Amino acid sequence: QVQLVQSGAEVKKPGASVKVSCKVSGYTLTELSMHWVRQAPGKGLEWMGGFDPEDGETIYAQKFQGRVTMTEDTSTDTAYMELSSLRSEDTAVYYCATYDNIVGATHYWGQGTLVTVSS
Amino acid sequence: DIQMTQSPSSLSASVGDRVTITCRTSHTISSYLNWYQQKPGKAPKLLIYAASSLLSGVPSTFSGSGSGTDFTLTISSLQPEDFATYYCQQTYSTPQTFGQGTKVEIK
Repeated sequence: QVQLVQSGAEVKKPGASVKVSCKVSGYTLTELSMHWVRQAPGKGLEWMGGFDPEDGETIYAQKFQGRVTMTEDTSTDTAYMELSSLRSEDTAVYYCATYDNIVGATHYWGQGTLVTVSS
Repeated sequence: DIQMTQSPSSLSASVGDRVTITCRTSHTISSYLNWYQQKPGKAPKLLIYAASSLLSGVPSTFSGSGSGTDFTLTISSLQPEDFATYYCQQTYSTPQTFGQGTKVEIK
């Protein structure tokens, strides 16, 4: 069973960056395809990007291109999502989630990390 | 980007009712359609993948159908624990996109 444990809530000022971590247990990170999804308060789910094992590359939603970086530390089985140039509209809960390429769905989810952007 | 239109956006139902939620996509996506359940303050939970495959451990009162552009999630007999928000998701093309959600409330 995969477990994903994310870092704690963050409060950032506009223009700053935030880096959210996602620790994997039960599997190694190299066995998984990690994606990131966010949810603004009271709103729906928004896919940000994730690792595509077919290409061996990380793909980002165009909306976040240039502002988001998703990385992995396989020595600690921890995935990271860094979002820069934060604005108030980035206030959201950020989820890491494993994408199962066989079934084409996001199966295991972290508990979420609330990032609040406020001056 | 593929647009997802879920309907209704909310509904009120009673325990034991049959509930149907629909999801329409702006382009054909074969069967690359998933359904999630989300309760307040919690992460989404995968229920159905590939339009109609029930994830192991999910009650058989949930079922999914459809292909192409029109999909349906059915709850055959609504249980108290089923009151939640439901989202469809397409993984046919990047960016993956979600429907806006359907909130199922107690009547």
